[in-house]
Amino acid sequence: AQSVAQPEDQVNVAEGNPLTVKCTYSVSGNPYLFWYVQYPNRGLQFLLKYITGDNLVKGSYGFEAEFNKSQTSFHLKKPSALVSDSALYFCAVREVDSSYKLIFGSGTRLLVRP
Amino acid sequence: GAVVSQHPSRVICKSGTSVKIECRSLDFQATTMFWYRQFPKQSLMLMATSNEGSKATYEQGVEKDKFLINHASLTLSTLTVTSAHPEDSSFYICSARDSGRDVTGELFFGEGSRLTVL
Repeated sequence: AQSVAQPEDQVNVAEGNPLTVKCTYSVSGNPYLFWYVQYPNRGLQFLLKYITGDNLVKGSYGFEAEFNKSQTSFHLKKPSALVSDSALYFCAVREVDSSYKLIFGSGTRLLVRP
Repeated sequence: GAVVSQHPSRVICKSGTSVKIECRSLDFQATTMFWYRQFPKQSLMLMATSNEGSKATYEQGVEKDKFLINHASLTLSTLTVTSAHPEDSSFYICSARDSGRDVTGELFFGEGSRLTVL
């Protein structure tokens, strides 16, 4: 069965510093990988996705993610964090040949301090 | 961009009553929609896949008679929580796939509906 793991419940970073939110995945075939962000009492907003091609994917709001097949990871990164980036981040996966449903990780709360 | 509207955003009801939550794709057609449930400080749990014109597919452990899903058109899916109890209180989020996009397309999410059962 496909799954994703987000090992950190919370990540704390100072504004202006680089940030990384970790995600590892487990699928039987090739994965489609996604990152979403959720602000309090709101739905999810799409940040970026990896389908195929370049391992470094660029997304919304200056975020990017690096797909690493050997380590089965898809970590979310940003070179310079903003206080407004503070939110809940979810990694998600679906298999190429499955239905379109996404399986989400447990979420990582990002706190960017001024 | 693709917009998914979810209504109501908040609802409070008495125990034993039924509540209907609507999920609409505003600018695209969605043959498939998904309903998720999110507990406080937890991840999203997929409840069911809603298919236009056919029965929903429920995930293991989700009571289909408790959570009725209807997907009567290409732009509307509804989730009805029947005979609600306090333990049904949660944040419900729908998502939709743009049927016109390629198969790699991401899902678009509604803003969520917070249900409180007294």
